[in-house]
Amino acid sequence: AQSVSQHNHHVILSEAASLELGCNYSYGGTVNLFWYVQYPGQHLQLLLKYFSGDPLVKGIKGFEAEFIKSKFSFNLRKPSVQWSDTAEYFCAVISSASKIIFGSGTRLSIRP
Amino acid sequence: ETGVTQTPRHLVMGMTNKKSLKCEQHLGHNAMYWYKQSAKKPLELMFVYSLEERVENNSVPSRFSPECPNSSHLFLHLHTLQPEDSALYLCASSQEGFSSYNEQFFGPGTRLTVL
Repeated sequence: AQSVSQHNHHVILSEAASLELGCNYSYGGTVNLFWYVQYPGQHLQLLLKYFSGDPLVKGIKGFEAEFIKSKFSFNLRKPSVQWSDTAEYFCAVISSASKIIFGSGTRLSIRP
Repeated sequence: ETGVTQTPRHLVMGMTNKKSLKCEQHLGHNAMYWYKQSAKKPLELMFVYSLEERVENNSVPSRFSPECPNSSHLFLHLHTLQPEDSALYLCASSQEGFSSYNEQFFGPGTRLTVL
């Protein structure tokens, strides 16, 4: 069965630290990849997405993600986090064989 | 109003009650979804409607009954729920098709507590 894995369940960083959240998926065909973010008390919203082209995708609020097909990965990065980045982050994959599948999420806590 | 709206935002119900959750999308999308979000678990896709027809039901118990009267509205009818059904229920919509248009837009959710 297809799946999406986010191995980091809870990440705690200090402000200005660099961030990388892992996302791996299990499907060998063409995929569309997403990162969603859920800020405390707010609804899920799209952070960035990859469909084709440049595997390095820029999103909102300084986030980026790199699609590495050979590693089945789509890791999320930000060079310098802020306290306002405290949220839960979800990776998601859509393939030609399935509807969207979400990872279990990574809770990011930023120390001021 | 734009986006995806859900009502009510909070619901407390007993195990013998019958209630309904409502979702409305104002984005002109042709697919709508119900998800269950529980603590420390992946988002669980419950139902998918595409062009008002149910296309996927991920083995959801029959105490959850969806209804999609048109492409803009989606309901989730609840009856004889269990305490473990307490969760945040999210509605989403998208433009169906494996293309650049299938980003999902989420509503704020209904926080359901079953006593």
